[in-house]
Amino acid sequence: GEDVEQSLFLSVREGDSSVINCTYTDSSSTYLYWYKQEPGAGLQLLTYIFSNMDMKQDQRLTVLLNKKDKHLSLRIADTQTGDSAIYFCAEITESNSGYALNFGKGTSLLVTP
Amino acid sequence: DTGVSQDPRHKITKRGQNVTFRCDPISEHNRLYWYRQTLGQGPEFLTYFQNEAQLEKSRLLSDRFSAERPKGSFSTLEIQRTEQGDSAMYLCADSSGTYNEQFFGPGTRLTVL
Repeated sequence: GEDVEQSLFLSVREGDSSVINCTYTDSSSTYLYWYKQEPGAGLQLLTYIFSNMDMKQDQRLTVLLNKKDKHLSLRIADTQTGDSAIYFCAEITESNSGYALNFGKGTSLLVTP
Repeated sequence: DTGVSQDPRHKITKRGQNVTFRCDPISEHNRLYWYRQTLGQGPEFLTYFQNEAQLEKSRLLSDRFSAERPKGSFSTLEIQRTEQGDSAMYLCADSSGTYNEQFFGPGTRLTVL
């Protein structure tokens, strides 16, 4: 399928904001998702955004979507050590039978005290 | 616990043996997915069920792999004649939402010696 690209690593200090970026290539993507994965665990859905939206805010999380540039970002405000994990961007398109998710390789977020 | 569950959580097997994993989705969710995740990668789609019907298989799903979902409830994924390259985390997810948000189980980590 199309490639979803993410930077592999991000380090921030506790209390700062984190911004995790993602680019996707399939212009027919209808929904885009952010998942969090802690070591040895499954994936936790954090938030999603519909392709006709520019922004979505949910407590400390803000998702920005630039459909023209096929760029998605996740901002975590007041980052805490418990936010340290791998964050995956994923897209879904109607061309995928069953709406299977197409994931990036993940961004490993390290939050230091 | 009303989330997606998977069993076993860990499986160690010798090359050439057969293994079977089970996924129990949230009862009212009619779509069920299997993904495989290797180290440093995002999950990759394997197969998809709508109720009891298997509607899509990825090219990753070789003929040694088979999945079932009898009666549209739990699902099993069997790998025959395991190879070392099958070592991975096998993730199950389900969905029924309008936005096709997928909820993942904790995964089964397979190690083939």
